[in-house]
Amino acid sequence: AQKVTQAQTEISVVEKEDVTLDCVYETRDTTYYLFWYKQPPSGELVFLIRRNSFDEQNEISGRYSWNFQKSTSSFNFTITASQVVDSAVYFCALSPSGGYNKLIFGAGTRLAVHP
Amino acid sequence: DVKVTQSSRYLVKRTGEKVFLECVQDMDHENMFWYRQDPGLGLRLIYFSYDVKMKEKGDIPEGYSVSREKKERFSLILESASTNQTSMYLCASSLLARDGRVTIYFGEGSWLTVV
Repeated sequence: AQKVTQAQTEISVVEKEDVTLDCVYETRDTTYYLFWYKQPPSGELVFLIRRNSFDEQNEISGRYSWNFQKSTSSFNFTITASQVVDSAVYFCALSPSGGYNKLIFGAGTRLAVHP
Repeated sequence: DVKVTQSSRYLVKRTGEKVFLECVQDMDHENMFWYRQDPGLGLRLIYFSYDVKMKEKGDIPEGYSVSREKKERFSLILESASTNQTSMYLCASSLLARDGRVTIYFGEGSWLTVV
């Protein structure tokens, strides 16, 4: 079975706190892609990152960082010094190989950053 | 800029009506997708298409059909709308680049209410 689990339904933090959003996936494929998307209240999905299963390097982009650990099938997302504009629903997704780029999404984590 | 355009942002339809949701992409992508998003469930794949006139069922195809007569256009059809189809619908298209990287683009979403 292929599945993505985002166990945190909602997270609430105060501005400037660091926050980590968890993502655990299941797949038997050796080649796959992992994604994170942000969905602000307006509804559109904003692409944040794509990670190839062969590339386990962690990535940092400004206040955002991602920790990919194949051994634990996790692809966690950390926001450092959170801001009110980070408030959104965040989705982790898996694209198995040979799947025509279909995405299997987690249920999403709603992040609320309060001033 | 790649663009995936969904024809209607907000729709209200009556139970039993036939509903068409249109999606157009301007980048000659082979693959197109329709997802539905519901709170607590994330996005779930309804149907996808990997070429003109080719389609495959996703995880929740019941009550829906699709049409892809031209490469750039992928339509989702609700033959007889029901209240449990009230949801946000997202269209996507994807490109598998020559270097193997997958890029997936989403439309802005269509909020459908069936009364």
